[in-house]
Amino acid sequence: ETGVTQSPTHLIKTRGQQVTLRCSSQSGHNTVSWYQQALGQGPQFIFQYYREEENGRGNFPPRFSGLQFPNYSSELNVNALELDDSALYLCASSLLGQLYGYTFGSGTRLTVV
Amino acid sequence: SQQGEEDPQALSIQEGENATMNCSYKTSINNLQWYRQNSGRGLVHLILIRSNEREKHSGRLRVTLDTSKKSSSLLITASRAADTASYFCATGGQGGKLIFGQGTELSVKP
Repeated sequence: ETGVTQSPTHLIKTRGQQVTLRCSSQSGHNTVSWYQQALGQGPQFIFQYYREEENGRGNFPPRFSGLQFPNYSSELNVNALELDDSALYLCASSLLGQLYGYTFGSGTRLTVV
Repeated sequence: SQQGEEDPQALSIQEGENATMNCSYKTSINNLQWYRQNSGRGLVHLILIRSNEREKHSGRLRVTLDTSKKSSSLLITASRAADTASYFCATGGQGGKLIFGQGTELSVKP
């Protein structure tokens, strides 16, 4: 079975621009969650998608938005990029209601200049 | 916001020694999980302990949970250079809504 893949691995954007990050879920998983991890910090929950609907959201502004597609792949979109958005963005897939078995991708390193 | 604190923030030991990391959390939990992260890449799930369990083992890993003190510890025995990584505790767990601590950076010197 395949794991979670994220693209791109690295990205440099200018302040004010928009960015789209992509994630392909592990086969058999039906939820996708996104996390932001600043340097030296633990990951922070952005939101989760289940059945193409947002199923929970962390403390992030509306300029962070997402999509989940019928094949359970997902996108994270960030508008009006700020310097503080520079971070590692992690995607994790799982089965809704399962206590464990989260599979994380290797992340996208976003640098905003 | 972070669920709690991990202690120490950084730990450096020699190969063969044991490494102990501690995690405190703030709210009631159903379970607590430990993850490992190499060089700022993806997280790998290590072990989960439920709130009604006090201790759990997996290979060289031993996790304890004290719900009265809202704390957990991860012990890695007979450490190896390959154990060098950051270790995070996380609570929650319903479909990916994990709340992570700030992590312990472990360095195992050969």
